[in-house]
Amino acid sequence: QQQVKQSPQSLIVQKGGISIINCAYENTAFDYFPWYQQFPGKGPALLIAIRPDVSEKKEGRFTISFNKSAKQFSLHIMDSQPGDSATYFCAALSSGTYKYIFGTGTRLKVLA
Amino acid sequence: DTEVTQTPKHLVMGMTNKKSLKCEQHMGHRAMYWYKQKAKKPPELMFVYSYEKLSINESVPSRFSPECPNSSLLNLHLHALQPEDSALYLCASSQDRSRTQNEKLFFGSGTQLSVL
Repeated sequence: QQQVKQSPQSLIVQKGGISIINCAYENTAFDYFPWYQQFPGKGPALLIAIRPDVSEKKEGRFTISFNKSAKQFSLHIMDSQPGDSATYFCAALSSGTYKYIFGTGTRLKVLA
Repeated sequence: DTEVTQTPKHLVMGMTNKKSLKCEQHMGHRAMYWYKQKAKKPPELMFVYSYEKLSINESVPSRFSPECPNSSLLNLHLHALQPEDSALYLCASSQDRSRTQNEKLFFGSGTQLSVL
């Protein structure tokens, strides 16, 4: 019940296309859902995050869609660029804890 | 300043060596974390310090010994490691989950550790 399932494992997108990564969770106590971007040899960097009281959050080319009833959330990268090529991790956290539960990661490659 | 600084960036050590990893942040964060990350895997939580006190130890072997000398510094002391301990060790910090609603977790760039 503590897992966050992430798909796909890898994704190849043409430059200018839309990249979509999906995550699903079981624990209804989770109330904070961040996405992290990680480049090789670097630590994960917070990209965007959402709480269950909103269904969508947009920051620049990055959008999180959240479906509370389905217990799913997804990251959409619009106008994908080669510089977006990285590994993306979704995560979930429940109030009062320090244990961020990470998804298994998606390796995105954007072709020039 | 939104940086978490880790040193060294790379470390090679033998199984009998003693070494330390260092982490520093100046964001006023009161929760600090150590994570271990194997290639192509998500970060795995090892330890959490909250207000300089050890709050979580995820059953980490005693050859890893954390230390939080003050609110800005976090160390990880390594002794008698095994080759399977080779990984990227990440430090992170957050404002503190128990006191505020700010859950943002900031990671350092990590120390790439190789145990020979």
